[in-house]
Amino acid sequence: NAGVMQNPRHLVRRRGQEARLRCSPMKGHSHVYWYRQLPEEGLKFMVYLQKENIIDESGMPKERFSAEFPKEGPSILRIQQVVRGDSAAYFCASSDVRSGNTIYFGEGSWLTVV
Amino acid sequence: AQSVSQHNHHVILSEAASLELGCNYSYGGTVNLFWYVQYPGQHLQLLLKYFSGDPLVKGIKGFEAEFIKSKFSFNLRKPSVQWSDTAEYFCAVNAQTDDKIIFGKGTRLHILP
Repeated sequence: NAGVMQNPRHLVRRRGQEARLRCSPMKGHSHVYWYRQLPEEGLKFMVYLQKENIIDESGMPKERFSAEFPKEGPSILRIQQVVRGDSAAYFCASSDVRSGNTIYFGEGSWLTVV
Repeated sequence: AQSVSQHNHHVILSEAASLELGCNYSYGGTVNLFWYVQYPGQHLQLLLKYFSGDPLVKGIKGFEAEFIKSKFSFNLRKPSVQWSDTAEYFCAVNAQTDDKIIFGKGTRLHILP
């Protein structure tokens, strides 16, 4: 049973470009979380989604960031017009009713903005 | 809103020393509590979790944590650490009425061989 799959693992973007990070949850999981990890700042919650529905996006920056989890396909975290401060590791996690509130993490996507 | 505080940002120990990493949370209601570990270059893995029942929870690799409700604490312990325990450790909490899981800033543990 494959775990949470994230791609790309590493992404380099120039300032002003767009970054798209993908996350396929564990098989059978219907909930997806996105977290951002900055050095010395730990993991910051960004957004929590179910299929076709954003449950909680209280951690998402108000501009340039968006997330979706369509009926078919992976969840996507989209960052428009990236800036140097967006450089970070972005982790996706998934859960389902059977796992209760336990979430399982992917290996992360490292975004570097140059 | 709930929050998590980890007191130690960096801890350095020698092999075979005992370990205790502090974690306090702030939330007035019923919570679920977690410890995750992130080995260098890897993703976060669940060490242990507390949902209800016995407040002393045993996890993988010899780790345990004790939930003390009156102190809002969930400290992680291991009686004898190994060099392979070098990693970053994250405490996390979620309110049982909420699916959002909040993480502390992490504690970097470095074990000297």
